[in-house]
Parts: sequence; C-alpha cells; structure tokens
Amino acid sequence: KNEVEQSPQNLTAQEGEFITINCSYSVGISALHWLQQHPGGGIVSLFMLSSGKKKHGRLIATINIQEKHSSLHITASHPRDSAVYICAVRSYPNFGNEKLTFGTGTRLTIIP
Amino acid sequence: NAGVMQNPRHLVRRRGQEARLRCSPMKGHSHVYWYRQLPEEGLKFMVYLQKENIIDESGMPKERFSAEFPKEGPSILRIQQVVRGDSAAYFCASSPGQEWHGYTFGSGTRLTVV
Repeated sequence: KNEVEQSPQNLTAQEGEFITINCSYSVGISALHWLQQHPGGGIVSLFMLSSGKKKHGRLIATINIQEKHSSLHITASHPRDSAVYICAVRSYPNFGNEKLTFGTGTRLTIIP
Repeated sequence: NAGVMQNPRHLVRRRGQEARLRCSPMKGHSHVYWYRQLPEEGLKFMVYLQKENIIDESGMPKERFSAEFPKEGPSILRIQQVVRGDSAAYFCASSPGQEWHGYTFGSGTRLTVV
C-alpha cells in the first residue's frame, strides 16, 4: 500500500463544475503539498499545508491531520484547469530533510 | 530572479552512453532534491544534496547513477551506461534549507534512451 493515496485517478467534468480531489496518507507528516503538472510540463506548487485550509483564487485546499486526509477543490472549473494534480507529503520527523513522498496523481480534464 | 533552471529540457541518448542532467537552484537556495518520474508513474525521490555534500541518496539506484552539488556551479545528476528503463522525466527542486518556505521545482529534463 502506498504511503500517499489519491482519488480519483482520473476525473472528467464539464466547465463550471465544482471539483474535489482527495488525498489520504498513512505516515506522520510535517506538511502536505498540492502540485499541478500540465502534460509535458513542469511542476508548480499550488499549496503547502500543515493544518486547516488555504485558498488561492478558485483553488481551496484543506487538511485534517487527525484523519490524515486532504482535499483540493476547484470552483467554477475551466478547461485551463486540465492537468495532473499531485499530492505530496513531507514526513515527520524529517531532521531537516525535506524530501517528499508523492501520490500517483489525479488526471483532471475539463470539457468546455 | 530566475527559478530553478534545468538543462537540457530534452535529452536523447543511445544505450550505453552517459547522460548528464544539470540543475541550477534558485538564488539563495542551498538544498537540492532530484526526483524521477517514470512513464505513467508517480514521482519518486532520488537524492538530496547540500553544497558539496550528499545528505540522503536512499532513492538512487545502486549502480550507474551519481549526483553532485559542487561549491561552484549547478548540481549534476549523472547516469552512466544508460538503458531504456532510464527513460523518464527528471525533476530538480530547491529550497533555502532554513526555515521552511516550500519548494521550487524546475521544468524537468526528459531523457529518452534509444
């Protein structure tokens, strides 16, 4: 079993729909990242969370430390949101080593 | 302020050749992480370096792979005698290494072994 599990693996939705991507992890963590990767492209860090909730534009990320679960929400989805969204965790304790463990990603396709 | 610079963006090598991938961290960042993304798989940690030191190489294959981060110049990931299974995207990320401010990823190097 992977330390970081994401669901769904693939998600297709109509433009304007509310999107939720889930991430569960089985290790103690000091932080969780949500990343975005466009096809053939680089990786962009969207959020880093250690508790609570963060919002940036149409993106919202939440984390529940007790339940070891995080969600990424996209409101009013748009075709340009089509990408792979990756959850990654930084284990605790890390002794200054900030390496990440990644989920396998959720491929999101937004249809106009 | 340039981000994390990786070059080349694309690299084609024949089996048995050597591949050298370069990563220049963000200005002021002294910690570098290399990750590999195999086709249709998730990202996997390879190695963590600070200037002139390898801190954690637990994700590096035991043979043919090496990494360095010299006092001057970029970090280098070197793959000797490449095989088809080395074809992947290799990403570098850097951090300041002090109080955590998050990662910055490079655009990656896509290695194709023919």
